[in-house]
Amino acid sequence: DAGITQSPRHKVTETGTPVTLRCHQTENHRYMYWYRQDPGHGLRLIHYSYGVKDTDKGEVSDGYSVSRSKTEDFLLTLESATSSQTSVYFCAISEYRVYEQFFGPGTRLTVL
Amino acid sequence: AQSVTQLDSQVPVFEEAPVELRCNYSSSVSVYLFWYVQYPNQGLQLLLKYLSGSTLVKGINGFEAEFNKSQTSFHLRKPSVHISDTAEYFCAVSDDGDMRFGAGTRLTVKP
Repeated sequence: DAGITQSPRHKVTETGTPVTLRCHQTENHRYMYWYRQDPGHGLRLIHYSYGVKDTDKGEVSDGYSVSRSKTEDFLLTLESATSSQTSVYFCAISEYRVYEQFFGPGTRLTVL
Repeated sequence: AQSVTQLDSQVPVFEEAPVELRCNYSSSVSVYLFWYVQYPNQGLQLLLKYLSGSTLVKGINGFEAEFNKSQTSFHLRKPSVHISDTAEYFCAVSDDGDMRFGAGTRLTVKP
């Protein structure tokens, strides 16, 4: 299995609070991604990174920011969480942008 | 941008029966195609991929898929399913841009 960990695995927070999710990889892959998974929508891309300090927006980026200060770490921040951001968040990595991605175990976030 | 349609949201099937999970994508000059499986409370695991070459692709756990360019389809098949195949299956497509996922098909294998 690809070495990808996510923390925390579960989090419950209140509307308006900031939240940061962490993704850590040991594979030295160039690309890292954050997705959210919601019933009936599959996975939707929030942001991705193509190198240290190089990031770009995905399909559903509003309300989220990311940072990548080291190759192995990719952080997703919800500046002010809303109930619509209740979801399961997955981190993924890949060596090349168009090829297969490898997924972390996910973080279940509940915003009350 | 690519779009992916998984034609069945749920597929119930009896153990040892064959199964086909259908996937269609919007056309593109060249695409890369993937099937992933997700077991409860886990991340997605790659089942198989089509990058180029033979249109019949074999994957893990006895699954295979066939790339049909004229019909823009990439259907997943297994000749005989097991209880342990119960999971959600996602079709995904990438070209020069982002990887797009279908909404998923929940396969339930009944004894």
